[in-house]
Amino acid sequence: GENVEQHPSTLSVQEGDSAVIKCTYSDSASNYFPWYKQELGKGPQLIIDIRSNVGEKKDQRIAVTLNKTAKHFSLHITETQPEDSAVYFCAASTLGGQNFVFGPGTRLSVLP
Amino acid sequence: GAGVSQSPSNKVTEKGKDVELRCDPISGHTALYWYRQRLGQGLEFLIYFQGNSAPDKSGLPSDRFSAERTGESVSTLTIQRTQQEDSAVYLCASSLNLGRGTEAFFGQGTRLTVV
Repeated sequence: GENVEQHPSTLSVQEGDSAVIKCTYSDSASNYFPWYKQELGKGPQLIIDIRSNVGEKKDQRIAVTLNKTAKHFSLHITETQPEDSAVYFCAASTLGGQNFVFGPGTRLSVLP
Repeated sequence: GAGVSQSPSNKVTEKGKDVELRCDPISGHTALYWYRQRLGQGLEFLIYFQGNSAPDKSGLPSDRFSAERTGESVSTLTIQRTQQEDSAVYLCASSLNLGRGTEAFFGQGTRLTVV
């Protein structure tokens, strides 16, 4: 089955700097890769996603890149703000109607 | 409602008691997922439904756990004879279709504490 790894587990950056979180997946049949942000005491919230037919997607300060050959994808947050502090989860969804497999999460702290 | 709704938001129960957790998915979403999240941990897959059918129950931790879904709508996760290790946040998500590149939206979760 699918296995998703995520690094780093924790990340601290200064406000205004960029943050990068990387994930790898094992199943080459996976075709959909969402990223979720989870704030304390809340459920995960979808922030951006990418499908396997594109290599990059951007939404304001957030971007995601996908390398299908290497089976890895990354989340990039630019001009970080304190409200970006949260736990971020990547996930992969396989073809054939399987469920979402999540990475273990990255705790991002943006220091003012 | 506009989003995935879970109830109760918090549940404290005595060890050995049964509990039932409820999930109301977004209207029209055929796929529904249950995950467990222990404190400070990631999302542990429990079960998913495509319509009212649950093709994959492999994530259920033990036979004390069961889930059902009726009318392609509400789902309930039942934990019998609760144990302290069952304490966690139970998250429900729904999506328009199972996997296949459609977004999954999460509820706020039910925080279960077994004392």
